[in-house]
Amino acid sequence: AQSVTQLDSHVSVSEGTPVLLRCNYSSSYSPSLFWYVQHPNKGLQLLLKYTSAATLVKGINGFEAEFKKSETSFHLTKPSAHMSDAAEYFCVVSEFQGGKLIFGQGTELSVKP
Amino acid sequence: GAVVSQHPSRVICKSGTSVKIECRSLDFQATTMFWYRQFPKKSLMLMATSNEGSKATYEQGVEKDKFLINHASLTLSTLTVTSAHPEDSSFYICSALGQGAGETQYFGPGTRLLVL
Repeated sequence: AQSVTQLDSHVSVSEGTPVLLRCNYSSSYSPSLFWYVQHPNKGLQLLLKYTSAATLVKGINGFEAEFKKSETSFHLTKPSAHMSDAAEYFCVVSEFQGGKLIFGQGTELSVKP
Repeated sequence: GAVVSQHPSRVICKSGTSVKIECRSLDFQATTMFWYRQFPKKSLMLMATSNEGSKATYEQGVEKDKFLINHASLTLSTLTVTSAHPEDSSFYICSALGQGAGETQYFGPGTRLLVL
């Protein structure tokens, strides 16, 4: 069975400082992993995805994530937070490309001026 | 590319009535569409998976007679909430998957349903 755990329900950073959103997964197979962002009352936007290619994945808006199989982690990072990054972030695992998505509980990112 | 739309974006209805929500893939053919429900401050819960031309597969605990899903074409899936009750009030989000979208699920903007 697959599962994903986002270790922080809420993260607060100051504008211009680094962002780290943590995610650990559990999967019996080589999973596909995703990060999605959701702004208030909006749908989800794909930030980046890992599908067994390069372990360091670069996404949109300066975000990137590193797949670490030994640690079963897929943490999301950004060197410098922007006010517009404030949103809800979901780490998502899928058994295979195109398969059912299993969502983490989400991490709310706040960015202080 | 890979745009998914939903209509309506917001709907208010009376208890006991039915509401239909449309999900369209605008620039690719979606062989599979998914319907999710999201409660406030909560994650997304998969309700059902629909494949074009076949019956939807519902997740455990989701009433198929209450949440009717039709995937009549490669670009349109509909979710009908029948005999809606206040507890059905929620944010409903669809996603679409297709070869033209790189086997990635692309999400619609969501529909806010309020049942009075």
